[in-house]
Amino acid sequence: TQLLEQSPQFLSIQEGENLTVYCNSSSVFSSLQWYRQEPGEGPVLLVTVVTGGEVKKLKRLTFQFGDARKDSSLHITAAQPGDTGLYLCAGETSGTYKYIFGTGTRLKVLA
Amino acid sequence: KAGVTQTPRYLIKTRGQQVTLSCSPISGHRSVSWYQQTPGQGLQFLFEYFSETQRNKGNFPGRFSGRQFSNSRSEMNVSTLELGDSALYLCASSLGPSGGRTDTQYFGPGTRLTVL
Repeated sequence: TQLLEQSPQFLSIQEGENLTVYCNSSSVFSSLQWYRQEPGEGPVLLVTVVTGGEVKKLKRLTFQFGDARKDSSLHITAAQPGDTGLYLCAGETSGTYKYIFGTGTRLKVLA
Repeated sequence: KAGVTQTPRYLIKTRGQQVTLSCSPISGHRSVSWYQQTPGQGLQFLFEYFSETQRNKGNFPGRFSGRQFSNSRSEMNVSTLELGDSALYLCASSLGPSGGRTDTQYFGPGTRLTVL
């Protein structure tokens, strides 16, 4: 069974701090996506990474896909209250037509 | 371009009843996936449809079923509802097979089902 473990599970930080969320698996994925979800809404796609070692930046967010395509990280610089939400990683294995979602990291940024 | 729409947004049912949820994908998207999200289990894959065919399914009982129509719209049905079926049901659409291109999925807002 494919599993994606995210850490930490919960994170409460002050505005302006930096943080990193990790997404780890023993399985190899052809692509990995990061989403942010707010209460009562569906996840919103932040980024898709497909190449081992790939780094993508989205303003204050930096995403990295592991060289072996088994893990990924999300780094937020100078967190803001608007970054508050549930962060989810999701991996796709080529040809399976399904995504395995991580356990989620609930982030709260305090003003 | 309109996003993924799901109806209804909220639903309250009682145990033993059945329910049908609807999902309209983004125009041009031919793949639709369904997920169940609960606080305890997180986001779990139910099934995926492409061109009216189910290509994969998750580990859910046969009470959970789905279908896709020729216009790519999809429905999922849950029969004989149980209290544990209370969850946010999410639909995601994507373009479909792409000859190697990553198939990015986009989520709808979900249907919040409460079983009493």
